[in-house]
Amino acid sequence: GENVEQHPSTLSVQEGDSAVIKCTYSDSASNYFPWYKQELGKRPQLIIDIRSNVGEKKDQRIAVTLNKTAKHFSLHITETQPEDSAVYFCAASTFGGNTGKLIFGQGTTLQVKP
Amino acid sequence: GAVVSQHPSWVICKSGTSVKIECRSLDFQATTMFWYRQFPKQSLMLMATSNEGSKATYEQGVEKDKFLINHASLTLSTLTVTSAHPEDSSFYICSGRGGVGGYTFGSGTRLTVV
Repeated sequence: GENVEQHPSTLSVQEGDSAVIKCTYSDSASNYFPWYKQELGKRPQLIIDIRSNVGEKKDQRIAVTLNKTAKHFSLHITETQPEDSAVYFCAASTFGGNTGKLIFGQGTTLQVKP
Repeated sequence: GAVVSQHPSWVICKSGTSVKIECRSLDFQATTMFWYRQFPKQSLMLMATSNEGSKATYEQGVEKDKFLINHASLTLSTLTVTSAHPEDSSFYICSGRGGVGGYTFGSGTRLTVV
């Protein structure tokens, strides 16, 4: 079945620096790659997503890149702010497939130091 | 936008009793509902996938007789944890698929078994 590996598990940056989180997936049929931010005890919040027909997508300070050949996708946060501190999860699915199971990576705890 | 209402938000039960968690999709029909479990400082682990009107498909290692899932309508799915034990204490969260937003998460249920 699908497996998603996420690195690093923890990331500490200074305010204003960039943060990069990387994920790899195993199922070549995966075509949808969302990124979520989760506060403690809350539901995951979708921050950006990308589909397999696109190589890069940007939304203000957040960008996601996808390399289908290597089965890698990454989250880039520029000009980090203390409020960006949270746990971030990548995920992958075959959206539109029979089940479309959304499988999550292990998570990255991002700390942005003021 | 699409909303999934999940209840209860938290529940404490005695060991050996059963607990039912409900997820209702509002403003859209959730043809598929995914159920996840999240232990502290860990990722969301997919437990099962349910499609309206059919039996749920459980992930490897998840006991189907312990975690009963019912998806009798396009707007309601339930998870019943039977004969709960302290090791079942976790954060349970559902995600409905069928809305324009892709995957819509409930707010989660914190289950504590004492």
